[in-house]
Amino acid sequence: GAVVSQHPSWVICKSGTSVKIECRSLDFQATTMFWYRQFPKQSLMLMATSNEGSKATYEQGVEKDKFLINHASLTLSTLTVTSAHPEDSSFYICSAPPQARETQYFGPGTRLLVL
Amino acid sequence: TQLLEQSPQFLSIQEGENLTVYCNSSSVFSSLQWYRQEPGEGPVLLVTVVTGGEVKKLKRLTFQFGDARKDSSLHITAAQPGDTGLYLCAGTFGGGADGLTFGKGTHLIIQP
Repeated sequence: GAVVSQHPSWVICKSGTSVKIECRSLDFQATTMFWYRQFPKQSLMLMATSNEGSKATYEQGVEKDKFLINHASLTLSTLTVTSAHPEDSSFYICSAPPQARETQYFGPGTRLLVL
Repeated sequence: TQLLEQSPQFLSIQEGENLTVYCNSSSVFSSLQWYRQEPGEGPVLLVTVVTGGEVKKLKRLTFQFGDARKDSSLHITAAQPGDTGLYLCAGTFGGGADGLTFGKGTHLIIQP
């Protein structure tokens, strides 16, 4: 199956700093990638759609200026949490569908803890 | 906003028993996927269904997609402790490469 990686797997940062999370498709190209957030004991919530070569589209209630997304190439999307606050602490997971198919493969996730 | 209801949210049964998890929406899915997620990890794909009435089997797991493509079920036969985990259904409604809408998940515990 398709492989998606994320880096880092976990990060602890101070309030007010910015954190960058990378999502890579290792064995396929992805013109679209997705970013989700998962709080403890809850399901995944779609945050935004990352589009290679164009702006990301954000779900309602997600601040685009706070969660910066850059789809630099067909295998890499980055999510930057700017001026992180403790309430941003969560499990961030990316996914990508090979060849724009509907099946999505998920990365292993990045756990962010903001102190 | 498309809503996707998954039930039950929690289920604890004895080893060897059978169980069914349900996933429903008032809207038609263009595709539906079932995932299993372990703590601290990303969801792992179990199956994708796209055709109304479709049935897929994965060892002791049977997945059904409703004829109207508004509901799906996951049935596990003779559950084993290794089946313990969080099961998630997720669907797309618009076709193509859309973001997934997830159900709340089913926390399954199989007691030996």
